Amino acid sequence: EVQLVESGGALVQSGGSLRLSCAASGFSFSVFWMHWVRQVPGKGLVWVAHINDDGSVTDYADSVKGRFTISRDNAKNTLYLQLTSLRAEDTALYYCVRDPDDYSGDFWGQGTLVTVSS
Amino acid sequence: SYELTQPSSVSVSPGQTARITCSGDILSRKHGRWFQQKPGQAPVVVIYRDSERPSGIPGRFSGSSSGTTVTLTISGAQVEDEADYYCYSATDKNLVFGGGTKLTVL
Repeated sequence: EVQLVESGGALVQSGGSLRLSCAASGFSFSVFWMHWVRQVPGKGLVWVAHINDDGSVTDYADSVKGRFTISRDNAKNTLYLQLTSLRAEDTALYYCVRDPDDYSGDFWGQGTLVTVSS
Repeated sequence: SYELTQPSSVSVSPGQTARITCSGDILSRKHGRWFQQKPGQAPVVVIYRDSERPSGIPGRFSGSSSGTTVTLTISGAQVEDEADYYCYSATDKNLVFGGGTKLTVL
C-alpha cells in the first residue's frame, strides 16, 4: 500500500524557518518525481515545488522561489521541503504528492499544517 | 500558465446523477484527474487518467474526457458523497488545479 506521511508542520513566527518531511512507503520512491502542494484551509490548491527522481532537477512556484528548497533522500525514502523567510501568506496545509502516473495512479499525503504568525 | 475551470457548486438529490465539469486548454494534451476532499480530511483520488478509478473507489464514480473538458460523474449520488471535488492535471512543469466544486447531496 502506497503511503505518504508528512511531518514537521508547526506554528512559527514571520521570518522564521521550518523543515517539512514526507516519508514514503509502498512504492519505488527513487523512480518517481515528487511534488509539494499547499492549501490554505477552506481555499484552493497551489503547486509549490517539484523534484525529479534523483534530485538533480527542481522547480518552484514564483511565490516561494528563493525561500523554499525541495530535496530528497532516496536511501531514506524521504522528501523534504525547507521553508525560510516565512511570511503570513505561507500559512497553509502542505501536501506531499507523488507525481501523477497514468498507470499506477495518483497518491497524496494527509498534509502537515504550517502556521506563520505575524 | 494553465487554468482549469470548474463550477463552484453542484446540488443533487440522493440517487440522482451528479456531473461536475472541468475545462482548460491543458486537458487537450494531458489527462484530467479528480480528488474528493471532505472537511478536515486529506484528498482522496477518485479518478486518474481521465477515467481510471483507483481500487476501493465505488463504481458509481466515473470520468470522461472530450476535447478540453473532463467530466466527473457520480451515478446515484449518496449523502456520503457530499464533499468538495477538485480536478487537476500534470503539465510538463507543475500541477494545475481547478478551483473546486462543492457537491451537495440532499
